[in-house]
Amino acid sequence: DAGITQSPRHKVTETGTPVTLRCHQTENHRYMYWYRQDPGHGLRLIHYSYGVKDTDKGEVSDGYSVSRSKTEDFLLTLESATSSQTSVYFCAISESREGFTGNTIYFGEGSWLTVV
Amino acid sequence: RKEVEQDPGPFNVPEGATVAFNCTYSNSASQSFFWYRQDCRKEPKLLMSVYSSGNEDGRFTAQLNRASQYISLLIRDSKLSDSATYLCVVNIQGAQKLVFGQGTRLTINP
Repeated sequence: DAGITQSPRHKVTETGTPVTLRCHQTENHRYMYWYRQDPGHGLRLIHYSYGVKDTDKGEVSDGYSVSRSKTEDFLLTLESATSSQTSVYFCAISESREGFTGNTIYFGEGSWLTVV
Repeated sequence: RKEVEQDPGPFNVPEGATVAFNCTYSNSASQSFFWYRQDCRKEPKLLMSVYSSGNEDGRFTAQLNRASQYISLLIRDSKLSDSATYLCVVNIQGAQKLVFGQGTRLTINP
């Protein structure tokens, strides 16, 4: 196991409410990522972090924000959840100090979010 | 055109058969290549990296063709436990991201 814990694992929330998903790692890896997975789209990067307080946007970042105040925690926040954000969210970490290049990433077990 | 394309399947093959998947990528600057496996309602897990010279891990063989910009995965003597979705993953040089294909769904039948 890669030592990644996501919480909550399942959540149902109402449109317009804020939601925060937490990713916790015990590996002390520099790089952390948030992906969402949807039928017909595969896995898409939302945001990623390359260190404490260092984050950047992925391809589907609109409507999401992230924070990383500690190496081990990477938070994903939906400021005002919409039905289009119903999805499975995966956190991932990278072993490599160089991030993606030539190295693999490992995923958490996922967080199932339903926005009604 | 999608950056990484896979035949979504589903592929249904009998146990013991050989099955092959292809994956094409559009960016010639792609640098690293992987196959991940994902079981239903589980996270993706690394199956194998794909090296330029091709590589084998037991019943699994991965090949890279840079000229035609595709990678392949061959599974020999398929087992029931090989049933899963197989994701093709590409890292583009200089870009801090991995690009995932939509996955190929494989079902091995007894």
